[in-house]
Order: sequence, then C-alpha cells, then structure tokens
Amino acid sequence: NAGVTQTPKFQVLKTGQSMTLQCAQDMNHNSMYWYRQDPGMGLRLIYYSASEGTTDKGEVPNGYNVSRLNKREFSLRLESAAPSQTSVYFCASSGLGITEAFFGQGTRLTVV
Amino acid sequence: EDQVTQSPEALRLQEGESSSLNCSYTVSGLRGLFWYRQDPGKGPEFLFTLYSAGEEKEKERLKATLTKKESFLHITAPKPEDSATYLCAVQAVGGSYIPTFGRGTSLIVHP
Repeated sequence: NAGVTQTPKFQVLKTGQSMTLQCAQDMNHNSMYWYRQDPGMGLRLIYYSASEGTTDKGEVPNGYNVSRLNKREFSLRLESAAPSQTSVYFCASSGLGITEAFFGQGTRLTVV
Repeated sequence: EDQVTQSPEALRLQEGESSSLNCSYTVSGLRGLFWYRQDPGKGPEFLFTLYSAGEEKEKERLKATLTKKESFLHITAPKPEDSATYLCAVQAVGGSYIPTFGRGTSLIVHP
C-alpha cells in the first residue's frame, strides 16, 4: 500500500519555466490537497479538491493551477515559475468526514 | 477566520526531561483537532485526533489532551528519536473539512 506518491522529489527550474507536480493516492480518498511549506510559515494550502471533478482555491493560489484528473490523481502546475515559488510542496489526501490527512514525501522545488 | 497558534516555536530538551507543547485555536466550532509528527525531509505523519474537550489520547511517550481553547502534547521522558517537528491542525464546523495547520514546534532531544 503506497499511500500518497509524489513526483518528482527534487526539481530545479529557471525563472519562467513551467512544470507539473504529480500526485497519486491509492486509498480511494475523495479529498486531495496541495500545500507549500516554507520556513517559519507552516503548511499553506494552495488548492484542494473535495471530489473528482471539483477544485477550489486555498490560501495561496496565485501562480498555480491544478487538475483533478480522476479520483486517484491531482496535479499542480506552475505555468511560469518565479523565485518566490521556491518551496517544499506536499500533496495530501483524506477520506470523508473528520479524518486525518495522509501526506506524500514532498517535492523540493528551487527556482533560480 | 480560523486560527491555530503553536508554542513554543522550538524546544530543546535533555533525554528524560518531560515537557509539553501547546496548540491554541480559535474556531467557530471544533470538529476535530489533529496532531502530526514531521521528520526532516519527509511529509507529516498522523499521530492523534481529538474531538471534544476533556478527551485524551496516548501513544508511547506522547499524550494529547484537549480543552475548549487549546490542546497539549505532553512528552514524557523523551528520547532522541522523538526529535521532530510537531504540527497541530483543526477542522472547524461549517463548510468544508479542510484542516488549518499551525506553524509547528521543532523539538530536539539531546542524549
């Protein structure tokens, strides 16, 4: 049982380049999330998807887009990367109701 | 707006020196409060869920408690392997079930 799998684990981009972060879960969860984690800032929600076919903005959505491809997969796209997007990105999923979230191992992204 | 504040930001303990981490929250109503542990370079891992004031949960050297305004994570006789960042999150009544996270407490236990 893999849980939540994120790819890639590390990435270096040049300013203006684009990339997609991939996330897949095998727990049949309805809800999926993308967070970024910066020193001293904790986990901040970028986008979330409450169910297949729906997505909503979180606290810090500017500069990002998401796709809920199916129930398993939720991708995060940076169309034109900026140095301010240097961060560690976490994908998470959770079941219905008051349940804990399961996190992937993270993607460490550096934009130069 | 839901708010979660964790204190202290960082804590250094000697092995065997018990202490507590605090998570205070401001929400319209609490559905659940979660504690996670995060090791360097890894994603957060779930520890406990607390649902109502007075509830307590235990796991090895960790005990989580909940009041109407805050939660404590008590660490009894910690070991170096307890070193990690501990995150608190709340789910509030109304709307979505999206958790709001605190900024975490970085715990270092020296041998």
